[in-house]
Amino acid sequence: GAGVSQSPSNKVTEKGKDVELRCDPISGHTALYWYRQSLGQGLEFLIYFQGNSAPDKSGLPSDRFSAERTGGSVSTLTIQRTQQEDSAVYLCASSLLGQGATEAFFGQGTRLTVV
Amino acid sequence: KQEVTQIPAALSVPEGENLVLNCSFTDSAIYNLQWFRQDPGKGLTSLLLIQSSQREQTSGRLNASLDKSSGRSTLYIAASQPGDSATYLCAVGGTSYGKLTFGQGTILTVHP
Repeated sequence: GAGVSQSPSNKVTEKGKDVELRCDPISGHTALYWYRQSLGQGLEFLIYFQGNSAPDKSGLPSDRFSAERTGGSVSTLTIQRTQQEDSAVYLCASSLLGQGATEAFFGQGTRLTVV
Repeated sequence: KQEVTQIPAALSVPEGENLVLNCSFTDSAIYNLQWFRQDPGKGLTSLLLIQSSQREQTSGRLNASLDKSSGRSTLYIAASQPGDSATYLCAVGGTSYGKLTFGQGTILTVHP
């Protein structure tokens, strides 16, 4: 497809388990972002990848969160030892350059529920 | 630290009304500003992107203006329709390669 694709769309996991969320950006987009949207809250920046540069991890809430981007394309967000407060919608976005320079396109999100 | 505020938090109007959504930001040194729409349970759909050098952008019934010096943007929706019901988010890009900072959004309901 032509848009940003995220999988799975929904994930229910038990507290303490690890989860992996996947994002396929638009082909050719060099910038990729992860955001988190908790119920009733705004979008919280998590991490940003730009080309081959070191990622901006300044938004990751704890060391249980990590992300990688392989081959400058697909990205995986991993949450280890999930907690109930991790329950949220995780949104991925990509843009041709940085989000400040060109239009950002978002995926449909992964709704994570930790029980 | 950039902070983005959207007013009102919620708005309910009858179909056909023209309406204005407001967005303000604390740091005027922005690169661009983007308006998004989010439907319940869905991702974000980009509506309009205004570069810092621009004053406004138009797309169909939507018009977004930007006053960088005063730290404000408005989204004008003409002749509102029930299908316009959604959450509208304003986001500011502080640098060309940086992340967007989002407001909390305005929940719009247009009644038939």
